[in-house]
Amino acid sequence: EAGVVQSPRYKIIEKKQPVAFWCNPISGHNTLYWYRQNLGQGPELLIRYENEEAVDDSQLPKDRFSAERLKGVDSTLKIQPAELGDSAVYLCASSLRGKEAFFGQGTRLTVV
Amino acid sequence: AQSVTQPDIHITVSEGASLELRCNYSYGATPYLFWYVQSPGQGLQLLLKYFSGDTLVQGIKGFEAEFKRSQSSFNLRKPSVHWSDAAEYFCAVDSNYQLIWGAGTKLIIKP
Repeated sequence: EAGVVQSPRYKIIEKKQPVAFWCNPISGHNTLYWYRQNLGQGPELLIRYENEEAVDDSQLPKDRFSAERLKGVDSTLKIQPAELGDSAVYLCASSLRGKEAFFGQGTRLTVV
Repeated sequence: AQSVTQPDIHITVSEGASLELRCNYSYGATPYLFWYVQSPGQGLQLLLKYFSGDTLVQGIKGFEAEFKRSQSSFNLRKPSVHWSDAAEYFCAVDSNYQLIWGAGTKLIIKP
């Protein structure tokens, strides 16, 4: 069975440019998470979806970050415009509600 | 507020030696606890989990962890480490379907 798939793996952009990340969760997993991980730190939750509904987006910087999960399957996370401080690894994870989360390999974003 | 503490930022162990990585949590109810491993440039892989029942849980790659409610701990152990175990290890607690993470412990293996 395929795991959580994320693309791209790496992205380098100039500041003030937009960027988007894509995630395809494990089939049947209704919960989807986006995390941001800075170097040497644990992941920080950005947003959690239950099916197509964003049930926790309290940590999402809404002035520049947006996310969507149309049809409750795959999801995109967008940053517009990107800032230097957004450089990090963006991780997507999915789970069955109440069960352990499975992670994708992440997208490493570098803003220059 | 719920929190997870991993007091060791990094640990160095000789290949073949035993390993224990510490994790302490602060949580009001019975916790769901996890250990994940992250190799360089990779995502997080679940090593093991505790939901209920036997407090000694077995995981993949020869790892085990013991839940001790009285000490609010969930330490990870392995009797003999291999060079391929070099990675960063994260402890996490589930708080209302949100994972609260420790800062991680980087494991360095000496040949």
